[in-house]
Amino acid sequence: DQQVKQNSPSLSVQEGRISILNCDYTNSMFDYFLWYKKYPAEGPTFLISISSIKDKNEDGRFTVFLNKSAKHLSLHIVPSQPGDSAVYFCAARQAGGTSYGKLTFGQGTILTVHP
Amino acid sequence: DGGITQSPKYLFRKEGQNVTLSCEQNLNHDAMYWYRQDPGQGLRLIYYSQIVNDFQKGDIAEGYSVSREKKESFPLTVTSAQKNPTAFYLCASTRPMNTEAFFGQGTRLTVV
Repeated sequence: DQQVKQNSPSLSVQEGRISILNCDYTNSMFDYFLWYKKYPAEGPTFLISISSIKDKNEDGRFTVFLNKSAKHLSLHIVPSQPGDSAVYFCAARQAGGTSYGKLTFGQGTILTVHP
Repeated sequence: DGGITQSPKYLFRKEGQNVTLSCEQNLNHDAMYWYRQDPGQGLRLIYYSQIVNDFQKGDIAEGYSVSREKKESFPLTVTSAQKNPTAFYLCASTRPMNTEAFFGQGTRLTVV
């Protein structure tokens, strides 16, 4: 049962344009959401996060939007740069219950930004 | 500098052998996690531990075992019962109630 889903395996955008990466979740016990960037053969690095009590968080070129009613979040990168090319993972933390603290990741989306 | 260290970076194992992957952190984090990444797939949770001497199974715990005797260390043993052990293994840690997980650089395990 995939509780965090990234339905787009890949995304290709032109340099300077907006990149929008999407993520859907099914577990209403998730209270915090994160986005990570990963290069091959390396560990993921944290990008940006959002609490379930907010609907938007912005950090420089990166903005995360959360729609709780739709159980959907998205990461916007504006403007996109070639160095943004990587795999992007969304992740969700479980707030309570027997799986408290469990951090669940989506399958990832490969972003390619063309010069 | 604080961080998470995984060793070794590359590991080869013969079929039928157990092997232990090391994960050490000096960030004073309470929670630690082990994930597995297969080609073209996301990160799947194997085991996680919120405090010393306590750990929980993740989504794909079969064929793996862990221990958490010290706050700094969370070794993962890949046993011979794991049918498909070849993968990239990632260790992570977080502070209590903090969600930003810090990751190690990973260990690539290959069964030969």
